[in-house]
Amino acid sequence: AQKVTQAQTEISVVEKEDVTLDCVYETRDTTYYLFWYKQPPSGELVFLIRRNSFDEQNEISGRYSWNFQKSTSSFNFTITASQVVDSAVYFCALYSGGGADGLTFGKGTHLIIQP
Amino acid sequence: SQTIHQWPATLVQPVGSPLSLECTVEGTSNPNLYWYRQAAGRGLQLLFYSVGIGQISSEVPQNLSASRPQDRQFILSSKKLLLSDSGFYLCAWSTGTGVYEQYFGPGTRLTVT
Repeated sequence: AQKVTQAQTEISVVEKEDVTLDCVYETRDTTYYLFWYKQPPSGELVFLIRRNSFDEQNEISGRYSWNFQKSTSSFNFTITASQVVDSAVYFCALYSGGGADGLTFGKGTHLIIQP
Repeated sequence: SQTIHQWPATLVQPVGSPLSLECTVEGTSNPNLYWYRQAAGRGLQLLFYSVGIGQISSEVPQNLSASRPQDRQFILSSKKLLLSDSGFYLCAWSTGTGVYEQYFGPGTRLTVT
């Protein structure tokens, strides 16, 4: 069975602070993919990043960075110098199995950036 | 570029009424298509997925059904809505060729009264 746990239900920080969103996953497959999505108040999910299980290199994209650690089954997401526009619900998701199945999502972390 | 459309954007329906939500994708051929539901304060639950016309897989038994009459059209239906069907319905597509991220539509917010 697959599972994604986002233990932080809600995080509130002041603008310009750094913030890390945690994601822990469970899967028995050796090949899998991890994702982060952003859901702004409008509701549409926006794809942010995909990592596969064979690539543990951390990734940085502007103010966003991702830390993938297979040893702890974690795929954490850090926003540096947060901005009000970063306020959203962020979802971590997992795919494995090789077919056309859907993604397994965590319950999301509601990030509030206060001005 | 690819785009995905959903309509209607919002819907208020009484219990026991029928439902039809539509999703269409432009700019790609033979996509995998998905219906998810997001209940208030919860994550996304996969309802149906389809790898081709007429091919539907159901993940959760319920009073909803899905159909794919055309390559880039995916429809979610119900004959009689329940209060528990309220939620935010999201359609998504993926290429299904080894690239597994899914791209989501704007969603339909359904309230069953």
